[in-house]
Amino acid sequence: AQTVTQSQPEMSVQEAETVTLSCTYDTSESDYYLFWYKQPPSRQMILVIRQEAYKQQNATENRFSVNFQKAAKSFSLKISDSQLGDAAMYFCAYRRESGGSNYKLTFGKGTLLTVNP
Amino acid sequence: DARVTQTPRHKVTEMGQEVTMRCQPILGHNTVFWYRQTMMQGLELLAYFRNRAPLDDSGMPKDRFSAEMPDATLATLKIQPSEPRDSAVYFCASGRGTGENIQYFGAGTRLSVL
Repeated sequence: AQTVTQSQPEMSVQEAETVTLSCTYDTSESDYYLFWYKQPPSRQMILVIRQEAYKQQNATENRFSVNFQKAAKSFSLKISDSQLGDAAMYFCAYRRESGGSNYKLTFGKGTLLTVNP
Repeated sequence: DARVTQTPRHKVTEMGQEVTMRCQPILGHNTVFWYRQTMMQGLELLAYFRNRAPLDDSGMPKDRFSAEMPDATLATLKIQPSEPRDSAVYFCASGRGTGENIQYFGAGTRLSVL
């Protein structure tokens, strides 16, 4: 079974600085997708960024970027120029590429990010 | 702005009562997921529908939980009878069912069973 591990229960960063959240996963699959979701205090789960395992290029969405190391099974999230609105719980998630039969997400336990003014 | 709609946002009930949570997926999405979030277990899948048919409900306690999709615009999750250990946030998510099948989440239902 696939597992996702986020080793940092909590992280903090100063406003305008950069922070990296770690995520590792375990799978025997070669094709899969990886996601980072953000959950602010409002409880809404918001997709931040996604990565297809077959793509070597790291995904980027504005201030958010990932460092995807397939061989190491590592998928870290970098937030640049941190803003107060980035404060939230961040979840790393895995989904196998199963040809359409099973799209379920496997989540890590989350990292609580605090942004200090 | 298309979004997944869940009702109610909050529900407080007494042990033994029936609880029904509803979800309206994004129009055109044919996959629907129910997840439960607790402090201890984190986010875990309860059930998954594709084209209204249940494909995976292995994470759902069958004796008290049931999930259905009466039509393409409504998914329901029922608990009967409810127990205090069912207290959690229940999320519904929907996706297009192709390619990445990005899952878009509703705001969740916070359930408290006293």
